Amino acid sequence: NAGVTQTPKFRILKIGQSMTLQCTQDMNHNYMYWYRQDPGMGLKLIYYSVGAGITDKGEVPNGYNVSRSTTEDFPLRLELAAPSQTSVYFCASWDWRTEAFFGQGTRLTVV
Amino acid sequence: DQQVKQNSPSLSVQEGRISILNCDYTNSMFDYFLWYKKYPAEGPTFLISISSIKDKNEDGRFTVFLNKSAKHLSLHIVPSQPGDSAVYFCAASPMYSGGGADGLTFGKGTHLIIQP
Repeated sequence: NAGVTQTPKFRILKIGQSMTLQCTQDMNHNYMYWYRQDPGMGLKLIYYSVGAGITDKGEVPNGYNVSRSTTEDFPLRLELAAPSQTSVYFCASWDWRTEAFFGQGTRLTVV
Repeated sequence: DQQVKQNSPSLSVQEGRISILNCDYTNSMFDYFLWYKKYPAEGPTFLISISSIKDKNEDGRFTVFLNKSAKHLSLHIVPSQPGDSAVYFCAASPMYSGGGADGLTFGKGTHLIIQP
């Protein structure tokens, strides 16, 4: 049982480049989330999804896009990377009245 | 507006003593609460949860207390061990699916440091 798998673990991007952070879960959870954690700060919600085909903005969605074509996958897209997007990104999945499971995180640096 | 607040960014406790981590919430629709533990360079991992029908839940050295009237919960770790040094996040969810839109809401975390 793999849980939540995030790739890549580390990435360095140049300003203006694009990339997709991958997130896959094998627990058939409906809810999936993308968070970012800046140094010394808590988790900020970027986007979330309550099921395949349904996504919505969280607290800090600007500069990001998501899609949810299947229950398992919830990729996060950065279109024009900016230094302000340097952060650690966590994907999580959850279903009602259970615990949420987190991926190992992606450490992104934009230079 | 922060709906889940952890007002202590850090807490230092001597090994063997009790660690008490606090969390306050403002949304009266929250009725399920979880604690997560996070080590550096790892994702958060689930620790313990409590539903609003209870006021206490225990799991080994970890106990979570819920005071609904005060909208306050706390995590007690007894006795504290060096391996407990980590960031602890409090999270809350509403009583019905979709009511809170984004499901789980997290606090900013408390960095617990266990001193030998």
